[in-house]
Amino acid sequence: SAVISQKPSRDICQRGTSLTIQCQVDSQVTMMFWYRQQPGQSLTLIATANQGSEATYESGFVIDKFPISRPNLTFSTLTVSNMSPEDSSIYLCSVDERPYGYTFGSGTRLTVV
Amino acid sequence: GQQLNQSPQSMFIQEGEDVSMNCTSSSIFNTWLWYKQDPGEGPVLLIALYKAGELTSNGRLTAQFGITRKDSFLNISASIPSDVGIYFCAGQRTNAGKSTFGDGTTLTVKP
Repeated sequence: SAVISQKPSRDICQRGTSLTIQCQVDSQVTMMFWYRQQPGQSLTLIATANQGSEATYESGFVIDKFPISRPNLTFSTLTVSNMSPEDSSIYLCSVDERPYGYTFGSGTRLTVV
Repeated sequence: GQQLNQSPQSMFIQEGEDVSMNCTSSSIFNTWLWYKQDPGEGPVLLIALYKAGELTSNGRLTAQFGITRKDSFLNISASIPSDVGIYFCAGQRTNAGKSTFGDGTTLTVKP
């Protein structure tokens, strides 16, 4: 299965600033996804990162707050903009590589102070 | 939106015991997935189910895709301390790849 490298693994950021999270896959994949996992909660899909076009956002998530790039089939970034303490979460990228399954990165643990 | 009801929320068992957890939905899913998440890590896929009625094993783990397509269960036999973690079910309605996750079952295994 694909190996996903996600950076940074954790960060503590000041409110009002932005953080860009990188997701690098060791093979070309068609579909990449960004999830958020708030403390003690399940995973919620933020958006599907589409190569060569705008990301597709789920209800409750907007491009201005979570801009996403997908310049090629192995890389994507998620930016958390104008952060507030409510954005403190684990952010995870995921790839779909049927028939082998769905693989997650190890996540970025973000704390906003 | 789609919701998955996962139960139980938590389990405290003795090493060697068998474990069962399940997910139900009011919507039909075409794929059911079971993940395990350890602290500080992303979820790791345990079993993927693609056909209604499918029963699949992965070592001591067995999962089934319900006939109605609205439920799935995961069994762990002869639990060991390293089974500790949070188990999530996830469903997919299409081949689009995005998943809806259950709230998780936290498993504690006492030696």
